[in-house]
Amino acid sequence: AQKVTQAQTEISVVEKEDVTLDCVYETRDTTYYLFWYKQPPSGELVFLIRRNSFDEQNEISGRYSWNFQKSTSSFNFTITASQVVDSAVYFCAPSSNSGYALNFGKGTSLLVTP
Amino acid sequence: DTGVSQNPRHKITKRGQNVTFRCDPISEHNRLYWYRQTLGQGPEFLTYFQNEAQLEKSRLLSDRFSAERPKGSFSTLEIQRTEQGDSAMYLCASSLLLIAGESTDTQYFGPGTRLTVL
Repeated sequence: AQKVTQAQTEISVVEKEDVTLDCVYETRDTTYYLFWYKQPPSGELVFLIRRNSFDEQNEISGRYSWNFQKSTSSFNFTITASQVVDSAVYFCAPSSNSGYALNFGKGTSLLVTP
Repeated sequence: DTGVSQNPRHKITKRGQNVTFRCDPISEHNRLYWYRQTLGQGPEFLTYFQNEAQLEKSRLLSDRFSAERPKGSFSTLEIQRTEQGDSAMYLCASSLLLIAGESTDTQYFGPGTRLTVL
């Protein structure tokens, strides 16, 4: 993938609200992978999900869900019933042309307040 | 299961000095990556090893930067003649190649080494 855009720089929600983080990417590849990572205030990147481009089945895992639409090059992430511990910076990261490197977006900073 | 570890966690140095960082990947992970992250930005890829072979280097990796993975286990990243622009968080990640021919594995990141160049 060539470029990734996370248009939302900062989002602030009140606990228990649902929140969707947007990710749009550009690629000339026909096969690629998409990732979401979370970076809490402690700084360590935490892996959330990995999807390949030929599997458009959306997924739900607990309070997390992902909506992958290849036709619009979007890979959005939704947190249901947000909690204070969800406060972090969330990064969308498509794989590079070579497949090894990840191209991270600038991230969306999510603040969940009580 | 021990995660990726990096040492030191913080490094403060004066401009012009050399620094070296170490990364210990998850045991048995055969792929290792270095990224750099500056404030307010996402991580940027620097270089990648499969076992001991350095297979890809970013244009960001200037001649002052060198990375090694001598025995296919831990890796070191050295920056020579540091500049203030080198101040950043240096992140290491590792992954396990499971399927031959598949290029993109899931990368697991360490806590990073924060470098401050005065």
